[in-house]
Amino acid sequence: DAMVIQNPRYQVTQFGKPVTLSCSQTLNHNVMYWYQQKSSQAPKLLFHYYDKDFNNEADTPDNFQSRRPNTSFCFLDIRSPGLGDAAMYLCATSRDARASGRGETQYFGPGTRLLVL
Amino acid sequence: GQNIDQPTEMTATEGAIVQINCTYQTSGFNGLFWYQQHAGEAPTFLSYNVLDGLEEKGRFSSFLSRSKGYSYLLLKELQMKDSASYLCAVRPTGGGNKLTFGTGTQLKVEL
Repeated sequence: DAMVIQNPRYQVTQFGKPVTLSCSQTLNHNVMYWYQQKSSQAPKLLFHYYDKDFNNEADTPDNFQSRRPNTSFCFLDIRSPGLGDAAMYLCATSRDARASGRGETQYFGPGTRLLVL
Repeated sequence: GQNIDQPTEMTATEGAIVQINCTYQTSGFNGLFWYQQHAGEAPTFLSYNVLDGLEEKGRFSSFLSRSKGYSYLLLKELQMKDSASYLCAVRPTGGGNKLTFGTGTQLKVEL
């Protein structure tokens, strides 16, 4: 019973060709996150949403955009992928810790591995 | 700034006990998470500590000392399937829901 679903699991794109990665959730969590993870490195937060409130990390390149049309779905758009953007892209969800006052577990999807040729 | 340190690699024997350490220096502290990540897969939640002490969950336990900026994950009765990367992640105060992840400790369990 998948709770955070990412499609596709593997994506091959060409240098400079726009690509969209998708994430959906059945947990009804109001917070959704996109991370980039390269081999043997920590997941790096790109941006996250509180409901539709978008929060960009200061060092996230402009090449990365995101959309969240509703609670269940979130998309990562890479406008002009470069070779350095090849990585695993992880989507995660959680309840809002600001509301509960406690640390809320982030639940991760299986990831999309992006290869840029 | 945020800084989380974990050993890069560890090796242990099936059936043994292993302790994976994590030290952190963050702008405030509001909880620490441990995640397990198998190669090519997503991180899965193992444990959460916000108060000092030991949290036990089956074969896995996690300890926290806030005054020392230190945590460890203890794995007992190691199994081959425990070979994975173990990520320590801290939720700083004022960070809302955000977590800062360490680079992970790659654990290899051998026969």
